Amino acid sequence: DADVTQTPRNRITKTGKRIMLECSQTKGHDRMYWYRQDPGLGLRLIYYSFDVKDINKGEISDGYSVSRQAQAKFSLSLESAIPNQTALYFCATSEKDLRSNTGELFFGEGSRLTVL
Amino acid sequence: AQKVTQAQTEISVVEKEDVTLDCVYETRDTTYYLFWYKQPPSGELVFLIRRNSFDEQNEISGRYSWNFQKSTSSFNFTITASQVVDSAVYFCALIGPNDYKLSFGAGTTVTVRA
Repeated sequence: DADVTQTPRNRITKTGKRIMLECSQTKGHDRMYWYRQDPGLGLRLIYYSFDVKDINKGEISDGYSVSRQAQAKFSLSLESAIPNQTALYFCATSEKDLRSNTGELFFGEGSRLTVL
Repeated sequence: AQKVTQAQTEISVVEKEDVTLDCVYETRDTTYYLFWYKQPPSGELVFLIRRNSFDEQNEISGRYSWNFQKSTSSFNFTITASQVVDSAVYFCALIGPNDYKLSFGAGTTVTVRA
């Protein structure tokens, strides 16, 4: 089983619908992240959390919200989905500060969301 | 602000050819870390290497090698004797001491044909 699991892996929804993407991890890491991948733009950070009580906006948080239900769970919600939120979404974890000598991100397999 | 440029959008090679992926970065920080990640067709990004700004030694790991040159702000990645399994999207990324996030390049898609 994957250490970082995302559900659903694929989802098609309609404009205006609320959608939740879930992420759970078995790595025991405190730090969790949600990224969005768009062709030609690389990965952009939506939200991140360094522990259960800590939630921080990333560079593209508008239109999204998150919930850190437990150390192992970090959910991303689109309150009212719009077509330009069609993208591949990644959850990631890290044990240590990415600015440290051993910090690195561990990614889930991605959730492909299509908003019609 | 940090910026990472991967000018090559797509590269296609025949198996056993060498392929070099360019990564050029912009930062005002003197301390920073550079990363390469691989995204195979399955989708999950896989960490390949981290390099801190004080270590300009080149690194080799099997068929993979990295050339870090601060003078040209580049951290290029070479796959020697490419194989079909090397087909993937490769991302270069950077983080500085005051950053909360990695700044990713747009990625380079490598296709290795048999």
